[in-house]
Amino acid sequence: DAKTTQPPSMDCAEGRAANLPCNHSTISGNEYVYWYRQIHSQGPQYIIHGLKNNETNEMASLIITEDRKSSTLILPHATLRDTAVYYCIVRPSNTGNQFYFGTGTSLTVIP
Amino acid sequence: GAVVSQHPSWVICKSGTSVKIECRSLDFQATTMFWYRQFPKQSLMLMATSNEGSKATYEQGVEKDKFLINHASLTLSTLTVTSAHPEDSSFYICSALTGGYGYTFGSGTRLTVV
Repeated sequence: DAKTTQPPSMDCAEGRAANLPCNHSTISGNEYVYWYRQIHSQGPQYIIHGLKNNETNEMASLIITEDRKSSTLILPHATLRDTAVYYCIVRPSNTGNQFYFGTGTSLTVIP
Repeated sequence: GAVVSQHPSWVICKSGTSVKIECRSLDFQATTMFWYRQFPKQSLMLMATSNEGSKATYEQGVEKDKFLINHASLTLSTLTVTSAHPEDSSFYICSALTGGYGYTFGSGTRLTVV
């Protein structure tokens, strides 16, 4: 599986957009980009995933660069409840392969 | 959506005893489940892949005789920490594949060995 690089921590003001970057320069053509988050002492929660096109759902937007070597997760209006560790993972979809977590980005939303 | 239920949410046990953690898929069948361990301020570390009806596959460095995994049905996988010691104290999390969304995770079990 391709490795990912994320900044260890970020702050964001409440109500503003939180933009979390992820570098995956060795991603393969069949690998998807998944984003999960983990609120303290809970199991990870699925946010969004994509292959090449930008994706949006009720939680967030995912912007993938044209060369697919990096992506950005956007939380459009961050709230205090969005404070969590955000993990970017790349792997083939629906293959049953394991998820390996990197170190993630610890996002703190500030009132 | 798919729900994975993990039980107990926390447990305290004496050193040398064994502890069983259950992971259930509530509204879907999970032929494959995964077990993770997470130490404070660290990321999730994959321990093993649990396959229904067959032996689990362990990641390198994980003692299979210490962390017994049983996946006897399509909705239940269990992790038993045998002869637990304080260094086994950790947050244990299970997950199951749920189609296009990747994986759904349980809420985790906080194990404290005293």
